Amino acid sequence: GAVVSQHPSRVICKSGTSVKIECRSLDFQATTMFWYRQFPKQSLMLMATSNEGSKATYEQGVEKDKFLINHASLTLSTLTVTSAHPEDSSFYICSARGGRDRSGNTIYFGEGSWLTVV
Amino acid sequence: LAKTTQPISMDSYEGQEVNITCSHNNIATNDYITWYQQFPSQGPRFIIQGYKTKVTNEVASLFIPADRKSSTLSLPRVSLSDTAVYYCLVGGDSGTYKYIFGTGTRLKVLA
Repeated sequence: GAVVSQHPSRVICKSGTSVKIECRSLDFQATTMFWYRQFPKQSLMLMATSNEGSKATYEQGVEKDKFLINHASLTLSTLTVTSAHPEDSSFYICSARGGRDRSGNTIYFGEGSWLTVV
Repeated sequence: LAKTTQPISMDSYEGQEVNITCSHNNIATNDYITWYQQFPSQGPRFIIQGYKTKVTNEVASLFIPADRKSSTLSLPRVSLSDTAVYYCLVGGDSGTYKYIFGTGTRLKVLA
C-alpha cells in the first residue's frame, strides 16, 4: 500500500511554544490531506482538510489560528500547533488521498505523532 | 456525509472467523467502503476496500449487499495479534469529500 510518513513520532514541548508536525506522502502525489486528533480510547476526530495550494478547511470547533495547516506541495503537509497548552496534548494523525497517479478513493494514514505539552 | 455505525466491541477466540458489520444508510453513489485496523498509538492501517458485492484479499473479505447500506468485514481464523480497533470509512473521490470516523469496533481476541 501507499506510504504516508509523519515526523516526529513523539514530541514534548513547553507550554506557550509552537511545534510543527510534518506529513509526507512518499510514493504518490497527495492532492488532499486530512489531519485528525485522537484522545486515548476514542475515535479519530477530523480537524481539517487541506488541498494542495489552497487554504485548509477546518471543522467546527477547531481554531484555525491555533492549528496552522500548510499544504505547499503534493507530497508535504504540515500542522503547527501554536502557543501550545497542556490540553493540546494528544495523538495527531495525518492522512493523504492520492490524485492523478493513484486511486482517489483510498486514504492512507501516517504513523501518528504524540504531542505532550508540559 | 455518510455516517457509519458499528458495534462498539466484540470478543472472539483464536482460530474463529470474525464478522464485523457496518451500517452506512446514506452512502452516495460514488462512495467506496474502506476498512482500517488500528493498534494503540499507531495510525490506521488499510485492510480492504470495495464498492459492491464481494472483495477478498490475503487478510480479509468484504461483503457488500446490493443496496450498499451496510458492509461486513470478515476476518478468517483470527489470532491474538488481530486484537485492535476496526473502522469502516465511507468516501468518494470528490475533492471536497471529508472522511469522518465512527466509533469503530474494538475486537478482543482471546486465547
